[in-house]
Amino acid sequence: GEDVEQSLFLSVREGDSSVINCTYTDSSSTYLYWYKQEPGAGLQLLTYIFSNMDMKQDQRLTVLLNKKDKHLSLRIADTQTGDSAIYFCAVNSGGYNKLIFGAGTRLAVHP
Amino acid sequence: AAGVIQSPRHLIKEKRETATLKCYPIPRHDTVYWYQQGPGQDPQFLISFYEKMQSDKGSIPDRFSAQQFSDYHSELNMSSLELGDSALYFCASSLARVATDYGYTFGSGTRLTVV
Repeated sequence: GEDVEQSLFLSVREGDSSVINCTYTDSSSTYLYWYKQEPGAGLQLLTYIFSNMDMKQDQRLTVLLNKKDKHLSLRIADTQTGDSAIYFCAVNSGGYNKLIFGAGTRLAVHP
Repeated sequence: AAGVIQSPRHLIKEKRETATLKCYPIPRHDTVYWYQQGPGQDPQFLISFYEKMQSDKGSIPDRFSAQQFSDYHSELNMSSLELGDSALYFCASSLARVATDYGYTFGSGTRLTVV
């Protein structure tokens, strides 16, 4: 079945860039999303990329998509302590567009 | 702007009891999705409805059932609750089951604790 994989943990220093990687298996996915989840909170859509795009930039966020390798990355520039959270990669799958999530990457930002 | 409303926010039930979770989608959205997120886990797709009909089914236990009503709100019914059902249950809605650039709008979730 469809699968989405992410590294589980990333630790960066405040002010540095963070890069979170994701791979997926469903080549028919048309939209690829990044969600942020803070402890005990819901899922906040951060950004997305359409499958015919290679890159999308949105303020401090840059999404890169390598469709051939089915690899997606999220770069957060000038990472702040408020960016500490779990980041989920998700892709749409199937005719009714359910989302398949990765396991989430826990980003820890330290001074 | 109106968001996806889920109720209740928190629910505590004993084993073998039943629970009903409600989801009110964004107005005009006709597709509802339910996801279950266990502690430290990623959200897992349970079931979806499009125009009041079940459209897709994921890893939903047979003890659970769901439906979408004429006003497009949805309810997830969970019977014979088990400790392992303790999780955050998210509802999301979209328009016409079409993947879009704004993604799915998720509710804040219902935290179910089974004791």
